[in-house]
Amino acid sequence: EPEVTQTPSHQVTQMGQEVILRCVPISNHLYFYWYRQILGQKVEFLVSFYNNEISEKSEIFDDQFSVERPDGSNFTLKIRSTKLEDSAMYFCASSEVLRTSGGTQYFGPGTRLLVL
Amino acid sequence: DQQVKQNSPSLSVQEGRISILNCDYTNSMFDYFLWYKKYPAEGPTFLISISSIKDKNEDGRFTVFLNKSAKHLSLHIVPSQPGDSAVYFCAAMIGYSGAGSYQLTFGKGTKLSVIP
Repeated sequence: EPEVTQTPSHQVTQMGQEVILRCVPISNHLYFYWYRQILGQKVEFLVSFYNNEISEKSEIFDDQFSVERPDGSNFTLKIRSTKLEDSAMYFCASSEVLRTSGGTQYFGPGTRLLVL
Repeated sequence: DQQVKQNSPSLSVQEGRISILNCDYTNSMFDYFLWYKKYPAEGPTFLISISSIKDKNEDGRFTVFLNKSAKHLSLHIVPSQPGDSAVYFCAAMIGYSGAGSYQLTFGKGTKLSVIP
């Protein structure tokens, strides 16, 4: 069964450093998303991406964040200068064309980011 | 602003009995609802969904009921099995109709424990 994959599974970084989280969405999906879950809190939407551009972003997704689909298969989330409060589990998700499936999003296993 | 609420943080059920997980929402624009199951250190796994044009959707042991007038949905698991023990998230989106946001808004989750 096709699945969303994410690398790395864990990332430890120093405050102020740049990190890139990688995702390979399900191959025939066209919509891509990043979510995060801070320990003990809700899963929160960060950004959605379609047709090589951001469709929507939340207020969490500030100028320190960026997304890219560099090669037609990977979908990346970059945090330019990490802060302590960026420590969280980051989930990538993908979905098919929305009208045909309602937009069911399938999630990857997540990357646990720890900023020290 | 809790647009999606799961008021029961935990639920314990005997194996073989029915598990009922509840979810309330406040945003009347939501038109597509999903239930996800999550094990520790894994990503949310899609279980079942329902659009706002329906009031019930069934898939095997899982049934989701939607009461639009009450802004309430529930997930029924019958019969419950020990492997169902996980955190269950309710999520909602505006977008099934083709317009609006595709981001998922999650509840805080309910931890289900199925006792053998």
